Amino acid sequence: DAEITQSPRHKITETGRQVTLACHQTWNHNNMFWYRQDLGHGLRLIHYSYGVQDTNKGEVSDGYSVSRSNTEDLPLTLESAASSQTSVYFCASSNPGSNEQYFGPGTRLTVT
Amino acid sequence: QQQVKQSPQSLIVQKGGIPIINCAYENTAFDYFPWYQQFPGKGPALLIAIRPDVSEKKEGRFTISFNKSAKQFSLHIMDSQPGDSATYFCAASANFGNEKLTFGTGTRLTIIP
Repeated sequence: DAEITQSPRHKITETGRQVTLACHQTWNHNNMFWYRQDLGHGLRLIHYSYGVQDTNKGEVSDGYSVSRSNTEDLPLTLESAASSQTSVYFCASSNPGSNEQYFGPGTRLTVT
Repeated sequence: QQQVKQSPQSLIVQKGGIPIINCAYENTAFDYFPWYQQFPGKGPALLIAIRPDVSEKKEGRFTISFNKSAKQFSLHIMDSQPGDSATYFCAASANFGNEKLTFGTGTRLTIIP
C-alpha cells in the first residue's frame, strides 16, 4: 500500500547541531509539506514543495531548509538546532486537484 | 498572524451530546475549508471538507455549517461517542485546495461515557 513515512520517530539533539528529518512518500504526489505542531499554535507550515527542484518558505521557515531532488522525498534540515525548535514535526503530501493532504506519523524532536 | 481562528481550545461533552467547534477566517480568497482529526501519537487525517457554494455538508455523524457572509464555519458531531475523542483542526485554502493550507490552533475534544 502507498504510504508516507517519517524518520526518525524520536530524536534528541544538542543546541547548535545540524539535524535532518526524513520524509518519504510512495504515492508519487507532486506536493509535499512540512509542519510543526506546538500546543496553542496548531500546525504551522515550515516549507513546502510543488514538485522536483521547487521549494517555498512557509510562515515559520527561519532556521529550516528543504531540498527536493526527487518526487518521493522532502528532507527537512535544521541548520543549527535551537531549543525553540523542540516540537513535533509532520510531513504531508497531496496531488494537485485532490485537496486532501496525507500526513505522516510525525517526528518528536527535542533540542537540549 | 493567525488567519484562521479556532475555538474553543478544549471541550468536554457527555456521550450522545453534540460538540460544536467554531472557526473564523479573514482571507476572502479562501475557498476550501477542511476539518482534520488527530488521535494521540498519529498524524492528522482529513475528516470532512466544504466549499463556499453550499451552507452545510454532512458525512455520517459529522456536519460542517458554513456562513460565507460572516466568514465562519463550524463542525458539529451528532450522537458523539468516546471514540470521537481527538484533536480537531479546521483549515482553509485558496484555489479550491490547490494552495497551501492554513490551520487553526486545534480543539482537544473529550467525550465522557
